[in-house]
Amino acid sequence: DMKVTQMPRYLIKRMGENVLLECGQDMSHETMYWYRQDPGLGLQLIYISYDVDSNSEGDIPKGYRVSRKKREHFSLILDSAKTNQTSVYFCASSADTQYFGPGTRLLVL
Amino acid sequence: GQGVEQPDNLMSVEGTFARVNCTYSTSGFNGLSWYQQREGHAPVFLSYVVLDGLKDSGHFSTFLSRSNGYSYLLLTELQIKDSASYLCAVRDRGNYAQGLTFGLGTRVSVFP
Repeated sequence: DMKVTQMPRYLIKRMGENVLLECGQDMSHETMYWYRQDPGLGLQLIYISYDVDSNSEGDIPKGYRVSRKKREHFSLILDSAKTNQTSVYFCASSADTQYFGPGTRLLVL
Repeated sequence: GQGVEQPDNLMSVEGTFARVNCTYSTSGFNGLSWYQQREGHAPVFLSYVVLDGLKDSGHFSTFLSRSNGYSYLLLTELQIKDSASYLCAVRDRGNYAQGLTFGLGTRVSVFP
């Protein structure tokens, strides 16, 4: 059964703290993505990873970085979180179509 | 630039149908996907089209006209549980690895 997992599902952080969002997939997909979704803005692409240690900026990479050390894991890192990074973050992986994880709801106070 | 446009809302009645329209303007085209997203949940893949015409998948059907930059998702025999947002997403040609460009979604409300 194809699956994308995300941890944690809910997270509250204070402004300036570091944030680590984890994503895993069991489909051996090469390509993985991080999106954020906000009301009125829809899904916006933050970063793409084509494979291990092969990452590319998406449309809104500022304030984020990523790490892909194993094909099945893709991490999103916020160094010194800001209040405007409060959002729902979705990870996805794809061969031809994209499969989404359940999302992480991040609140930055 | 490129954009994907969808109406914000659509209301319909249980047992009837709903057609969710999507227009796009992209520098190239390498397929269009439809996703269903319930409140508080992740998008769930419904359909992918890359050739013109109607693709019948039973409860969901999708139509594409590349020359017009237009697609629709047709939901038939509506049920209350079909109430959700439906997202249209386009992939630019030659930009497979650039991810999808999503519309903001159409919130479909099905009433008894």
